[in-house]
Amino acid sequence: AQTVTQSQPEMSVQEAETVTLSCTYDTSESDYYLFWYKQPPSRQMILVIRQEAYKQQNATENRFSVNFQKAAKSFSLKISDSQLGDAAMYFCASRDDYKLSFGAGTTVTVRA
Amino acid sequence: DTGVSQDPRHKITKRGQNVTFRCDPISEHNRLYWYRQTLGQGPEFLTYFQNEAQLEKSRLLSDRFSAERPKGSFSTLEIQRTEQGDSAMYLCASTPTGPYNEQFFGPGTRLTVL
Repeated sequence: AQTVTQSQPEMSVQEAETVTLSCTYDTSESDYYLFWYKQPPSRQMILVIRQEAYKQQNATENRFSVNFQKAAKSFSLKISDSQLGDAAMYFCASRDDYKLSFGAGTTVTVRA
Repeated sequence: DTGVSQDPRHKITKRGQNVTFRCDPISEHNRLYWYRQTLGQGPEFLTYFQNEAQLEKSRLLSDRFSAERPKGSFSTLEIQRTEQGDSAMYLCASTPTGPYNEQFFGPGTRLTVL
């Protein structure tokens, strides 16, 4: 079984600034995948970024990037140049063969 | 719209009643998942289908819960004798076969048990 911990219930960021969301995980698998999902209020969950554990290079998707520290089992998300549309709940998730295990989420608010 | 769809979007029921939810996955996605999300928490895995075969059920899925995917396309999740603790958002997701393919989520069905 995999467990995912997000220790920041809420984060606030000024528009155009950078915010970093923390995530730690615990797994006994040697091959696994990590994800950040975004869930806007009353809207469906969408994938922000994914990382394959065997890859050392950190994934980047436009303004979103991760800091993957495999030995520390840490997987943080950095949102650069924050925009009002980034306001949402963000979930860190790990995947074994098929199912996802999610953290409790971090609510991100963006101040104009 | 070719995304995952769920019906109904909202359901209010009285304790003890039975409810059924439907999920239509993305066409040709052979894996389908059900998750439950309570307020302020992350989704929790309930069950998983590959085509019509139900391959795993979480211990969260009590005997009052049953899920089917009869023809390997849409799926239904039924809750019998609902309890107030069943109030939650029920999410469906689908994915094609593969070790790291993204799971595409539907909008969810929000269940309120009075």
